[in-house]
Amino acid sequence: AQKITQTQPGMFVQEKEAVTLDCTYDTSDPSYGLFWYKQPSSGEMIFLIYQGSYDQQNATEGRYSLNFQKARKSANLVISASQLGDSAMYFCAMREYYGNNRLAFGKGNQVVVIP
Amino acid sequence: KAGVTQTPRYLIKTRGQQVTLSCSPISGHRSVSWYQQTPGQGLQFLFEYFSETQRNKGNFPGRFSGRQFSNSRSEMNVSTLELGDSALYLCASSLGSASGGGYEQYFGPGTRLTVT
Repeated sequence: AQKITQTQPGMFVQEKEAVTLDCTYDTSDPSYGLFWYKQPSSGEMIFLIYQGSYDQQNATEGRYSLNFQKARKSANLVISASQLGDSAMYFCAMREYYGNNRLAFGKGNQVVVIP
Repeated sequence: KAGVTQTPRYLIKTRGQQVTLSCSPISGHRSVSWYQQTPGQGLQFLFEYFSETQRNKGNFPGRFSGRQFSNSRSEMNVSTLELGDSALYLCASSLGSASGGGYEQYFGPGTRLTVT
């Protein structure tokens, strides 16, 4: 069964604008972690941000923030002040700590930042 | 601190051959995971090693195997290669823990394997 859902089509974003990438997940595990990764055309996966299921506050890392809505099983990534270097594929991932304890990825969102 | 390194970066093999990929984790990281990425299937978990023991395994046939050495370096082996094994193979390391929770994974640049 699909654990992580990312359904947005490719997105074009104006430089310096904010962009929100949607991610919904499915789990019955009470303890889990949510991750966002960036994959530029070079192929390397770059860790961006982490949110634990028990964390009370939304995670933030520089220009990245995670809008965590636990009841809705939603973990959207917000990138503020987009830069040309933000053009990449973005993957949402989840790890269930009491379940199979492996990192499961969504299909990804393509973001292109235009000047 | 040096990142995760993977060798080789590119590889071309023929059907039926076998291949070994190598991954050196970030210094101090004890957990190494392997993933296969293809356009059709996306990112799929292969296996995870922690302190030389396979701690978790994905749904791949037995042709895919791995191991981890005492210095945390890991190798992945694919025997009897098939055309469908063509993919980007990514290795990730993390601090890990006995319970396996929490720590973010840092990925290497990947090995792009082409099977002809």
